[in-house]
Order: sequence, then C-alpha cells, then structure tokens
Amino acid sequence: GQQLNQSPQSMFIQEGEDVSMNCTSSSIFNTWLWYKQDPGEGPVLLIALYKAGELTSNGRLTAQFGITRKDSFLNISASIPSDVGIYFCAGQRGNKLVFGAGTILRVKS
Amino acid sequence: GAGVSQSPSNKVTEKGKDVELRCDPISGHTALYWYRQSLGQGLEFLIYFQGNSAPDKSGLPSDRFSAERTGGSVSTLTIQRTQQEDSAVYLCASSSNRGGGEAFFGQGTRLTVV
Repeated sequence: GQQLNQSPQSMFIQEGEDVSMNCTSSSIFNTWLWYKQDPGEGPVLLIALYKAGELTSNGRLTAQFGITRKDSFLNISASIPSDVGIYFCAGQRGNKLVFGAGTILRVKS
Repeated sequence: GAGVSQSPSNKVTEKGKDVELRCDPISGHTALYWYRQSLGQGLEFLIYFQGNSAPDKSGLPSDRFSAERTGGSVSTLTIQRTQQEDSAVYLCASSSNRGGGEAFFGQGTRLTVV
C-alpha cells in the first residue's frame, strides 16, 4: 500500500490561480521528487530535492523538502490549461522510490 | 537510446496466458524499476535492479510475476497465467544514481487481460 499521504486527491482551479499540494510521511526520506503524468504517458520528473529545507524552482513550479525530511510541497503559480494532469510525489527510502497516490489537477479555462 | 523505451505499448491477452513486457533503460543507467499502475491509482512498486546486486523483489504480488535484467541493461517482466486483476499499466523507470534519485519513466505497457 501507499506509504506517503498526498493531498489533495483532486482539485479544480481557475486558470491563473496558484496551486498547492503536499505529501507527508511518518518516516524520513533522503530524496523527494515530484512528477507529472499526462494521460497515456509515463510520469515525467518535474523537480528533485536532496536536502532538508531545500527550496527549488522550475519555471512556475516551486517545491520544498521539509525540514523534518518527512514532508514536501509543490506549488504551481498562475496555472494554465496544460497544467492538467496527475501530480505524484515520491520519496526515496533505501532502494525504493515510494510514491504518493497522486493529485489530479483539473483547470477551468 | 534517449529515453526509457517499453514494448509493447499495448497488450491484450487471454486469461491464463503468459505475457512478457520489455524495458530498455537509458544507456548507462544502473538502476531499473518496475511499477504497476491500476486505473486511477498511484504507482505500486514491483521490483528494483541495481547493477549486479540481487534484485529487490519485495513488491512482486505473487509468484506468477518474475523479472530479469540481462547484461545490466534490458529487463523483461513476465506474468504467468495472467488473471483479470493483472490488467494495469506497467511502468519501467531507470536511474543513474544508486538507490533512487532522478528516475526517468518509459511510457508504459497497458496490459488488458480478457
């Protein structure tokens, strides 16, 4: 089963709005990754975080590695229709990448 | 190749038949993962290969599932005596870092068992 709690499960937002989603765990991770999956495609890596407290941006995306190493958030600013998709967080523990259940993002144009 | 390649992209099989799914990782990547994604669900870890080390098979759901990685490159996931509940998208990912890091995914194989 899933070991990461990702929220929200889904969201509708107005184009131009900012979006925030997060993942939490009861266990520590060494790496946090955020992926986006479009229909019929494999997940594509958006941002990788390697240090506790790290804040990283990629265009309109910003993600942070929580200080406790048990959480991470992803923000999308000024959303556009092509932001639609499923966003997954992933944490590295040992040899495994553990994934959250995903956040389905739907944008109202 | 430039990215992770999976074949076939779609597979329809009859219940009880065996299937083989193939993954060509990014050249030089030592780590390779298989995940399963059921409709509308997250990613379920199946198996992990790292170099010449023994694979981590802890995610394989039953003994009908097995995987090999030949020469540290191409991997094949085999499902024997397929069941309808095996229907899902099977995703392969590879990474150049030991134990995770930036893993890159293929487009997946959509398996339908009828």
